Amino acid sequence: DAGVIQSPRHEVTEMGQEVTLRCKPISGHNSLFWYRQTMMRGLELLIYFNNNVPIDDSGMPEDRFSAKMPNASFSTLKIQPSEPRDSAVYFCASSPRGQISYEQYFGPGTRLTVT
Amino acid sequence: GQSLEQPSEVTAVEGAIVQINCTYQTSGFYGLSWYQQHDGGAPTFLSYNALDGLEETGRFSSFLSRSDSYGYLLLQELQMKDSASYFCASPYNQGGKLIFGQGTELSVKP
Repeated sequence: DAGVIQSPRHEVTEMGQEVTLRCKPISGHNSLFWYRQTMMRGLELLIYFNNNVPIDDSGMPEDRFSAKMPNASFSTLKIQPSEPRDSAVYFCASSPRGQISYEQYFGPGTRLTVT
Repeated sequence: GQSLEQPSEVTAVEGAIVQINCTYQTSGFYGLSWYQQHDGGAPTFLSYNALDGLEETGRFSSFLSRSDSYGYLLLQELQMKDSASYFCASPYNQGGKLIFGQGTELSVKP
């Protein structure tokens, strides 16, 4: 299996621009997670989906962030408008266990820099 | 709420044994996981303890004591490639939300 696929791997954009991050989970996994990692705040869960349905978005920083999962093989995380404080590594992860997802498989991440 | 505490840094020499501790405070408890992350890489799953006791996977072992709200990751026969950050994590509820500790940076010296 190819593992979790994320694109782009690196993104540099200017403040105010829209950013879209993409994720393809491992086939057959029914849970998908978006995380953000920074030195200051560590690894934070932003939102997660079970069977394409958003379950908990309490970690989404503000209305500038939105996430969708239109089908079992694709998810997006959008930031509009982007700000310098959004600079971080964004990870997507998927899990084969729909209930207690203690084992998650992470993608390589997208390193976002907002100038 | 839910929080997990672990030391920020640990240093050990090649060939030695090192233990990385994790204490947690949770409103409900659904087990303790451990992840490894190399610099610039993605976290990778190492182990999971649902019940008290020791789980062994090769050179790595993980221990849990629910009565003490405590667990640890034990790395034996340390190798240079083990230099990485190690995170303990616990499911927040049965729905899948995973809360991570701040991570312990392990440096293995020759």
